Amino acid sequence: SQQGEEDPQALSIQEGENATMNCSYKTSINNLQWYRQNSGRGLVHLILIRSNEREKHSGRLRVTLDTSKKSSSLLITASRAADTASYFCATANMDSNYQLIWGAGTKLIIKP
Amino acid sequence: KAGVTQTPRYLIKTRGQQVTLSCSPISGHRSVSWYQQTPGQGLQFLFEYFSETQRNKGNFPGRFSGRQFSNSRSEMNVSTLELGDSALYLCASSLEGQPFYGYTFGSGTRLTVV
Repeated sequence: SQQGEEDPQALSIQEGENATMNCSYKTSINNLQWYRQNSGRGLVHLILIRSNEREKHSGRLRVTLDTSKKSSSLLITASRAADTASYFCATANMDSNYQLIWGAGTKLIIKP
Repeated sequence: KAGVTQTPRYLIKTRGQQVTLSCSPISGHRSVSWYQQTPGQGLQFLFEYFSETQRNKGNFPGRFSGRQFSNSRSEMNVSTLELGDSALYLCASSLEGQPFYGYTFGSGTRLTVV
């Protein structure tokens, strides 16, 4: 079942601009993870943020988590053409028997 | 170390046939999960195997089955293929059955049913 909902569904920006994607979820979580998928390929784990963390950075990625609003955002700064991909959030909680609950994804297009 | 290896990369099958897909996890990873991805339904969880036992199962018909071997390699089988089974099938492995802390995915098998 899909718990996370990414917003927007699609995003097109110019190279060099920042891209922000949002994820909302419904139940309490242990952690939230972001993945990237290049066209027709497997997903790549980008970053994990635990429920007791509010912000996390990894290179050009910044993830925030607001458990009171049950939402997270992924910011990609200084976007590059290679960032063109679909981005998925996935939540993990103790009730889901070790399974991740996935959102539908945001398709990001970086225009040169 | 080597990543998650899925074979074959592409398959074309006819309705009614059966198919077997293979996945070799990262060395040391004992949990293997399978997902079906389609444009309309997104990522749908099929099942998870841990130490040769199916630990979790998604909401798919019995035509979809899997198994895991003692070396953690896993196979999934789809019998009596239908057109709607056309999808990207993704395998993901994790340490000690803890997808909590992230999966490593293979590149997927693109199955086309004609």
